[in-house]
Amino acid sequence: RKEVEQDPGPFNVPEGATVAFNCTYSNSASQSFFWYRQDCRKEPKLLMSVYSSGNEDGRFTAQLNRASQYISLLIRDSKLSDSATYLCVVNKGGSYIPTFGRGTSLIVHP
Amino acid sequence: EAEVAQSPRYKITEKSQAVAFWCDPISGHATLYWYRQILGQGPELLVQFQDESVVDDSQLPKDRFSAERLKGVDSTLKIQPAELGDSAMYLCASSRAVQRDEQYFGPGTRLTVT
Repeated sequence: RKEVEQDPGPFNVPEGATVAFNCTYSNSASQSFFWYRQDCRKEPKLLMSVYSSGNEDGRFTAQLNRASQYISLLIRDSKLSDSATYLCVVNKGGSYIPTFGRGTSLIVHP
Repeated sequence: EAEVAQSPRYKITEKSQAVAFWCDPISGHATLYWYRQILGQGPELLVQFQDESVVDDSQLPKDRFSAERLKGVDSTLKIQPAELGDSAMYLCASSRAVQRDEQYFGPGTRLTVT
């Protein structure tokens, strides 16, 4: 099993839709979790950190489920500009060495 | 807004040649990361520095790749000799500290080996 797994998609959704992505991780001792957004041929940009209590920023909500070892990202009221690849990052248990998932592609269409 | 600087932005080199990439992290950021990203994949960590010390380089192909951060500020990643399979985007990122590990990325260097 890979350390960090994501469904590559693409997820094709209409504007205004709600979409959710999951990211599973294998090391139960992992401590830090993040979501990044990456536009085509650009660098990743930090979207949000994922805390044990969850995290919400406008239309974006991130959750951590330690029991099932996954993090999730929910996007409400999707915009065309949300089209991008969403990368999850999980740091190895007992250290802060990051592992990226392969990313989930989101395409929001009119 | 402070940014991570990288140069060059693009590099074309022939196989067996040497190539070097430079990264200047955000001022005050103690942790620096070098990644390689192949199209359609997530970034793969090559080396992580805390100040001038290597935290992890387990995925760095040490027979041909080397990285240094001599004064704990800017960093250089070198490949010698380059191989066709090294064609990829090389990304540098920095964070305030190992435990404050929100990373900020530079624009990357796109390497093409011919």
